[in-house]
Amino acid sequence: AQSVTQLDSQVPVFEEAPVELRCNYSSSVSVYLFWYVQYPNQGLQLLLKYLSGSTLVKGINGFEAEFNKSQTSFHLRKPSVHISDTAEYFCAVRVLGGNTPLVFGKGTRLSVIA
Amino acid sequence: DGGITQSPKYLFRKEGQNVTLSCEQNLNHDAMYWYRQDPGQGLRLIYYSQIVNDFQKGDIAEGYSVSREKKESFPLTVTSAQKNPTAFYLCASSIGGAGETQYFGPGTRLLVL
Repeated sequence: AQSVTQLDSQVPVFEEAPVELRCNYSSSVSVYLFWYVQYPNQGLQLLLKYLSGSTLVKGINGFEAEFNKSQTSFHLRKPSVHISDTAEYFCAVRVLGGNTPLVFGKGTRLSVIA
Repeated sequence: DGGITQSPKYLFRKEGQNVTLSCEQNLNHDAMYWYRQDPGQGLRLIYYSQIVNDFQKGDIAEGYSVSREKKESFPLTVTSAQKNPTAFYLCASSIGGAGETQYFGPGTRLLVL
């Protein structure tokens, strides 16, 4: 079975500062990796995903993530955050070769302070 | 506009009552999913369906039921057997393939009176 650990439940950061949201996964087989964002009382929106190829993945809103197979990590980064980035962020995995559902971490709440 | 619609946005349930949450998609996706979201718990899978007339239990299926009679519709019934139904419910869909994105609806918040 797969599992996802998001190491920080809450991350406060000042506006225009860099941020890193950490995600580690556990799986006995190869997986695809995803980051989603959720604004208050809304559904989830895909930020980016890693399927294969370059380990550095660029997404929407200036976010990027790096896949590290040896450390089983997929950390999300942004060099300079805005107030509008305040939201909850979810890391998720899915097993290759099927249409099984995503397995989600518990989420990290990013609060950007003016 | 293509997308996923969930209705209602808010739903109130009385003790002992069954309620049904609607999920409709016009993306022509084969697979549909129901997740439950509680504060600090992330998203937990209730049921999913990879094709019409077929569905599988997720991690927390007890107290819930689903049907998939049409490709575009995947309603979730919260039965009276679900003792703690207050939560935010999210429906999602995806085209076939593990690398494909799951798209989410706006959610339904269920509250128990």
